[in-house]
Amino acid sequence: DAGVTQSPTHLIKTRGQQVTLRCSPKSGHDTVSWYQQALGQGPQFIFQYYEEEERQRGNFPDRFSGHQFPNYSSELNVNALLLGDSALYLCASSLLEPKFYNEQFFGPGTRLTVL
Amino acid sequence: AQSVTQLDSQVPVFEEAPVELRCNYSSSVSVYLFWYVQYPNQGLQLLLKYLSGSTLVKGINGFEAEFNKSQTSFHLRKPSVHISDTAEYFCAVQMDSSYKLIFGSGTRLLVRP
Repeated sequence: DAGVTQSPTHLIKTRGQQVTLRCSPKSGHDTVSWYQQALGQGPQFIFQYYEEEERQRGNFPDRFSGHQFPNYSSELNVNALLLGDSALYLCASSLLEPKFYNEQFFGPGTRLTVL
Repeated sequence: AQSVTQLDSQVPVFEEAPVELRCNYSSSVSVYLFWYVQYPNQGLQLLLKYLSGSTLVKGINGFEAEFNKSQTSFHLRKPSVHISDTAEYFCAVQMDSSYKLIFGSGTRLLVRP
């Protein structure tokens, strides 16, 4: 059973560019959450998608957007990249029902470097 | 607003010694509590969780944690650590009405031979 997969593993961009990160959830999961983990810090919640809609959003600017496809996979898009966007981006999948606290399974992350 | 504090950024310990990683949280509502481990170049793995019931929670790899509501703490313990336990450990909370996990800044456990 494949777990959560993310692509690419590493990415280098320059300021002002746009980037798209991809996530495939664990088999059977219908919910995808994205987190940003800056160096030396804990992950911070960006947003969660369920049924192709954003259900909840953290304190991130509109430059961060996402999408969920009918097969439950998801993309995270970041526009107008800033140096401060350099981080490890983690995707987590879970089942929405029956409870909020269903375990979130994390992928290995995408390391984004903005120069 | 909810927050999680992990007071120790790094905890060095000798192999086979006991260890405690501290976690305190602040919240005005009921929360669920979690400990995750992150090995180098990997994602997060759930060690254990407290949802309700017994305040002593047992997890994988011999770890356990105790929920103390009066002290708003959820400290992680292991009676005897191994070299392979060297990793970053994150405490997290989730409100009953929210989907997001709020993480602490992490504690690096360094096990020495």
